[in-house]
Amino acid sequence: KQEVTQIPAALSVPEGENLVLNCSFTDSAIYNLQWFRQDPGKGLTSLLLIQSSQREQTSGRLNASLDKSSGRSTLYIAASQPGDSATYLCAVPDRGSTLGRLYFGRGTQLTVWP
Amino acid sequence: DVKVTQSSRYLVKRTGEKVFLECVQDMDHENMFWYRQDPGLGLRLIYFSYDVKMKEKGDIPEGYSVSREKKERFSLILESASTNQTSMYLCASRKSGVYGYTFGSGTRLTVV
Repeated sequence: KQEVTQIPAALSVPEGENLVLNCSFTDSAIYNLQWFRQDPGKGLTSLLLIQSSQREQTSGRLNASLDKSSGRSTLYIAASQPGDSATYLCAVPDRGSTLGRLYFGRGTQLTVWP
Repeated sequence: DVKVTQSSRYLVKRTGEKVFLECVQDMDHENMFWYRQDPGLGLRLIYFSYDVKMKEKGDIPEGYSVSREKKERFSLILESASTNQTSMYLCASRKSGVYGYTFGSGTRLTVV
């Protein structure tokens, strides 16, 4: 069974800082990895999807990297803003199955203060 | 963009009631999922479906059932609601293959 760990569990930073959120997973036989954002009381919003053949994926101020062999992914947030405050979750699919379920980390709760 | 719509944002139900949570997606996705999310426990998979009338149990199916009569709709049923089913329920869908997941906005269910 896949296990996903996210570090740190919580992060509080002043506006403008560049941030790195970490995600590790135990089974490297994944075909992609997805990063989500969750605002309090809301659903999950997909931020980035990285296929196993890619090493990086970028969207605006967000950049996600994937190193399958070491079982790690990082989400880099440039020039953080108060609006970035949310919980960030990474998720990987079931080993070898394109039908299947996602395994989630517990998330990193980010607070960006003005 | 794919849209996953959950019919209710907030629900309050009484213990013992039969509860239906509805989820509809508009992009012809084969796979649909129901998760619940609780503080300290993260997201846990209840059931998923990979085709019409097909279903698979997830990690915590007890006390729940599902229905998928049409491709776009996946319903979660609480046969007899209990207070320990108070939670945030999240529906997701995905096209088969190496595609990402799209989640709905969630239903906060309170059972009193």
